[in-house]
Amino acid sequence: NAGVMQNPRHLVRRRGQEARLRCSPMKGHSHVYWYRQLPEEGLKFMVYLQKENIIDESGMPKERFSAEFPKEGPSILRIQQVVRGDSAAYFCASSRLEVYNEQFFGPGTRLTVL
Amino acid sequence: AQSVAQPEDQVNVAEGNPLTVKCTYSVSGNPYLFWYVQYPNRGLQFLLKYITGDNLVKGSYGFEAEFNKSQTSFHLKKPSALVSDSALYFCAVRDGSLGYQKVTFGTGTKLQVIP
Repeated sequence: NAGVMQNPRHLVRRRGQEARLRCSPMKGHSHVYWYRQLPEEGLKFMVYLQKENIIDESGMPKERFSAEFPKEGPSILRIQQVVRGDSAAYFCASSRLEVYNEQFFGPGTRLTVL
Repeated sequence: AQSVAQPEDQVNVAEGNPLTVKCTYSVSGNPYLFWYVQYPNRGLQFLLKYITGDNLVKGSYGFEAEFNKSQTSFHLKKPSALVSDSALYFCAVRDGSLGYQKVTFGTGTKLQVIP
């Protein structure tokens, strides 16, 4: 059973460009979470999605950031018009439905904005 | 609201000695508690969790954690540290009484095991 897949592993963008980060959850997992980790900082929750639904986006910046988890295909975290402050590691996690289940994390996408 | 605190940014321990990484939490209802480990340039790996039952929870790689309701703590422990245990450790909490609640992670504790 493959784990959580994220691609690309490294992404370099210039200021003003768009960044698209992809996450394929583990088989059988219907819940996807996105987190951002800055150097020497903890994990910051961004958004929680189920298929075709955003359940909690309280951690998402109001502008430039969006996320989706379509019926078919991976979950996408999209950052428009990137700025240097967006440089970070972005982690995706997935879990089964029940609230007592742990999350399984992908290897992360390291975004560098030049 | 729920929160979790890891009071130590870094813990240093000699190889072979017991280790403890501290975590305290705050939730309104029933706490679901988790420990994760992160190695450099990797994602988080699940170590163990407390949902209900025995206060002492055993997990991967010889780690265990003790749930203490009166002290609202969930400290991670290992009887004998290995150099390979050096990593970043995260405690996390979710309020199990609510229909949905996101998991809240602590800021992490860097464990350094000295040979």
